[in-house]
Amino acid sequence: DAGITQSPRHKVTETGTPVTLRCHQTENHRYMYWYRQDPGHGLRLIHYSYGVKDTDKGEVSDGYSVSRSKTEDFLLTLESATSSQTSVYFCAISLRAGSKNIQYFGAGTRLSVL
Amino acid sequence: DAKTTQPTSMDCAEGRAANLPCNHSTISGNEYVYWYRQIHSQGPQYIIHGLKNNETNEMASLIITEDRKSSTLILPHATLRDTAVYYCIVRVSDNQGGKLIFGQGTELSVKP
Repeated sequence: DAGITQSPRHKVTETGTPVTLRCHQTENHRYMYWYRQDPGHGLRLIHYSYGVKDTDKGEVSDGYSVSRSKTEDFLLTLESATSSQTSVYFCAISLRAGSKNIQYFGAGTRLSVL
Repeated sequence: DAKTTQPTSMDCAEGRAANLPCNHSTISGNEYVYWYRQIHSQGPQYIIHGLKNNETNEMASLIITEDRKSSTLILPHATLRDTAVYYCIVRVSDNQGGKLIFGQGTELSVKP
């Protein structure tokens, strides 16, 4: 599992409340990613990070912010959660070795916004 | 990254080979073909990747056509635990970490 831990694994919250999801890795990987997965859409990239304090937007970044103040933690924040953000969120790290550029994924966080 | 086309679903009998096709007719010369799978409720898992030669590892084989416009993932002896959604992704294997663009994938059902 490349040492990736997502927390919490499940969360139920109310519309308008802030929510922070945490992705923690233990192997000092430079690249980290947040994806969301919804029925009919597959996985879509929200934000990614290529180092401490270096982040960039993915294809569905509206309504989300991220922070990476240290290598091991990549936080995803929903400033004011909406029902459309009900989803399963996956964190990933990227491991490059030779021609391989492989992403390893965490177990996911299931978020319900009521 | 080039787009890919996969069948929505496939069935396979347990113990038989599962052959999952993928079309990537707009692939560029420096783009690799990657396969991931996602077992229900789990994160995606890397299977195999290749550039132009056929590849084999402990999980599967990857056959890429000579013109590189299509490929086939082969699970030689499918088991019930291989039931999953299989994603074919084409991307440049660069130094910048790179982003994965997931399509809809093929839902493989392995039946007893």
